[in-house]
Formats: sequence, structure tokens, C-alpha cells
Amino acid sequence: GIQVEQSPPDLILQEGANSTLRCNFSDSVNNLQWFHQNPWGQLINLFYIPSGTKQNGRLSATTVATERYSLLYISSSQTTDSGVYFCAANTGGFKTIFGAGTRLFVKA
Amino acid sequence: NAGVTQTPKFRILKIGQSMTLQCTQDMNHNYMYWYRQDPGMGLKLIYYSVGAGITDKGEVPNGYNVSRSTTEDFPLRLELAAPSQTSVYFCASRPGQGIGSNQPQHFGDGTRLSIL
Repeated sequence: GIQVEQSPPDLILQEGANSTLRCNFSDSVNNLQWFHQNPWGQLINLFYIPSGTKQNGRLSATTVATERYSLLYISSSQTTDSGVYFCAANTGGFKTIFGAGTRLFVKA
Repeated sequence: NAGVTQTPKFRILKIGQSMTLQCTQDMNHNYMYWYRQDPGMGLKLIYYSVGAGITDKGEVPNGYNVSRSTTEDFPLRLELAAPSQTSVYFCASRPGQGIGSNQPQHFGDGTRLSIL
């Protein structure tokens, strides 16, 4: 089955800094999502982005399907951005595979 | 619109006890999923369902059972609780049009389960 790898595994930022999180996948995907898991454990949908680029406020995401990777950009980071960021991929069947996540801590 | 609702939010079980984690969605989604998330790890798929009466195993199904008698409900059953099942359990759903792969998943808030 598809393998999903995220990097870096951990990231510490000073408030106001920018960052890029990466998600590599081993097969072509029909579905690629980015989630933020907040410190209370809730999973928040950020982007549904099987290809192309999307932006939502300080966050944006780009998926290059032909090269099998997706990037999540966080600009002007805030302490509320802390948590774990997951990407999840689906190759066209019913199963969605999650990466192990990037743990982000933004210092005030 | 409630979305995906999981109950209970927290539960402590003794080894060998049984319980059912409830999941309900009000979005008329065909596809529903159960995941577990161990501390510091990503989510692993336990079981999934593509419609009422149809269920199938995911990556880590051992020790669990599911049923899907209605579109709305997808309960997860632990028959003989073991310490290895201590985890956070998430239920998710998505519409499932066509082959169902090109729609985002919606998640519940999770159930934190401890087996002592």
C-alpha cells in the first residue's frame, strides 16, 4: 500500500517565523488532506488538495502530484499554530493512510 | 449541524471488560471509519464501512468489531479490553460519491480510552 512520510518530525519556531512542512507519498493519490491536531486532540481540516495550490489566511498548501509530494506553508506563525500537523493520502480505494505527523511548537 | 459525534469522550476500563464506542454522523455520508491514535503517533485505520451493512478491516482490526445497520451510526466494539488498546479513538466520515476517494474526511472529537 501507499507510504506517507512527513518531515521534519519536530519543529520549534519563534513567533512570527515562517515554516514549510513536507509530505511525501509513494504512489499516485486521488485524495490528499492536511490536518492540524490542536493541543486538545481535535483534528481540524486544513486543506483538501490532491493537486495544485490553495491558500487560507496565513496557511497555504501545494501538492505536486506528478512528483508525489505536498507542502504546507505557515507564515507569520502564532502560538496557536502549535500542535501536530498530519497529511493523509488515498490512492483511489477506500482506505486513507496518515503520515506520522510534524510536531510544531511556536514560542512566544 | 453536529457533523460527526463520538461518545463517550473519556472512559476507563478494566482488563477483560467490554464496551462500545459510539459514532454518529448527520451528513448522510456513506463512508465511515474508525482510527486509533497511540501517544505520539499518527492515526491507524481499524475498520471502515462504505455503506449500511458493509464493513471491512483496516490496518489494525484485531480485538475490535464493528457493525453498520444504518447510514448514520458506526459503533466500535471492544469485547475483551487489553492494555494495548489504550489509545484515542477517532471516527470519521465522508460522502463517498463514485469510488469515494475524492472527498475530504470529517472527524469526530475522539474518545480517550484507558485500559487498566
